[in-house]
Amino acid sequence: DADVTQTPRNRITKTGKRIMLECSQTKGHDRMYWYRQDPGLGLRLIYYSFDVKDINKGEISDGYSVSRQAQAKFSLSLESAIPNQTALYFCATATSAGTDTQYFGPGTRLTVL
Amino acid sequence: AQSVTQLDSQVPVFEEAPVELRCNYSSSVSVYLFWYVQYPNQGLQLLLKYLSGSTLVESINGFEAEFNKSQTSFHLRKPSVHISDTAEYFCAVSASGGYTGKLIFGQGTTLQVKP
Repeated sequence: DADVTQTPRNRITKTGKRIMLECSQTKGHDRMYWYRQDPGLGLRLIYYSFDVKDINKGEISDGYSVSRQAQAKFSLSLESAIPNQTALYFCATATSAGTDTQYFGPGTRLTVL
Repeated sequence: AQSVTQLDSQVPVFEEAPVELRCNYSSSVSVYLFWYVQYPNQGLQLLLKYLSGSTLVESINGFEAEFNKSQTSFHLRKPSVHISDTAEYFCAVSASGGYTGKLIFGQGTTLQVKP
């Protein structure tokens, strides 16, 4: 089984709908991250969490919210989806050991019509 | 704060030719440096990283990168590429001293290996 899983893998939705993307990990890592990937822009950090009670905004958090339900689960929500949130979303994990190496899930392709 | 610039968005190359993917970074503090690879329809995988020590680091599949502090670069090289190396490559940096726990990624370089 994969260490970092994301559900769903693909999602098509309409403008104004609420969407939740889920991430689970079996690596036992404390730190979890949500990124979006757009062509030509690389990966941009949306939110990150260093433990269940420590959640931080990244560089592009507007329009998104997160929930860290447990050490192993980190969900990303789009409260009211808009077309420019169409992107590939990645979850990643890391230890708190201090080298910042991150381990990525397979991604969720989200299309907002 | 840190930033990363990958100087080429696409690099086409023929199979068995050498390749260099360029990465420059900016930081006022010491850094860790990373190269990640993304194969089609997959997530990112760590290819190699520089944390400290020898400035030349290698991956298990023949890639190498050299940390050049004076030129603030971390270019990725392979002497002979294969079709299977076709992928998108991302350079990333983090602050080693302050340990922000965050990676800053470059824009990515698509390596296209042609037969």
